[in-house]
Amino acid sequence: ETGVTQSPTHLIKTRGQQVTLRCSSQSGHNTVSWYQQALGQGPQFIFQYYREEENGRGNFPPRFSGLQFPNYSSELNVNALELDDSALYLCASSLDSLSGYTFGSGTRLTVV
Amino acid sequence: KNEVEQSPQNLTAQEGEFITINCSYSVGISALHWLQQHPGGGIVSLFMLSSGKKKHGRLIATINIQEKHSSLHITASHPRDSAVYICAVGGSQGNLIFGKGTKLSVKP
Repeated sequence: ETGVTQSPTHLIKTRGQQVTLRCSSQSGHNTVSWYQQALGQGPQFIFQYYREEENGRGNFPPRFSGLQFPNYSSELNVNALELDDSALYLCASSLDSLSGYTFGSGTRLTVV
Repeated sequence: KNEVEQSPQNLTAQEGEFITINCSYSVGISALHWLQQHPGGGIVSLFMLSSGKKKHGRLIATINIQEKHSSLHITASHPRDSAVYICAVGGSQGNLIFGKGTKLSVKP
């Protein structure tokens, strides 16, 4: 079985630009969560998708948006990038909250 | 006050030492997770537990639901155990609420 794959691994963007990060969930997992991890901090919950619908959201502004596709892969979109958006973005997939999570290796975004 | 607190923040040990990392939480939970994060950023799930104790190799995780406290123990520590260990609890939206992590460095 494949794990969770995120792309790209690293990305540099300019303030004000838009970015799309991608995540392929583990086979059989129908739930995908996205987290933002600033340097030296624990990951913070952005949102979660279950069967193509957003079913949970953390304290992030609307310029953070997402999609989940029929094959349960997912995208995280961030508009109007700010310097503080520089972080490691982690994707995690699960079958349900009782089954545990599989994490990707993350996308390191740098906004300059 | 953070919902999930870990201690210590940083830990340096000699190879072979017994290591304990602590986690306290202030919210009701369905399960508590211990995770390992290496410098590259990827996170590996070590344990998910809701009661008692679990063991996997040299790693042991315990939880006390009444005291809202969990510990991760590493026996006979090795330099390859060097990583950030993160405690996380299940949130109300099915998400995880993470602690800030404990950076462990095991010296040969």
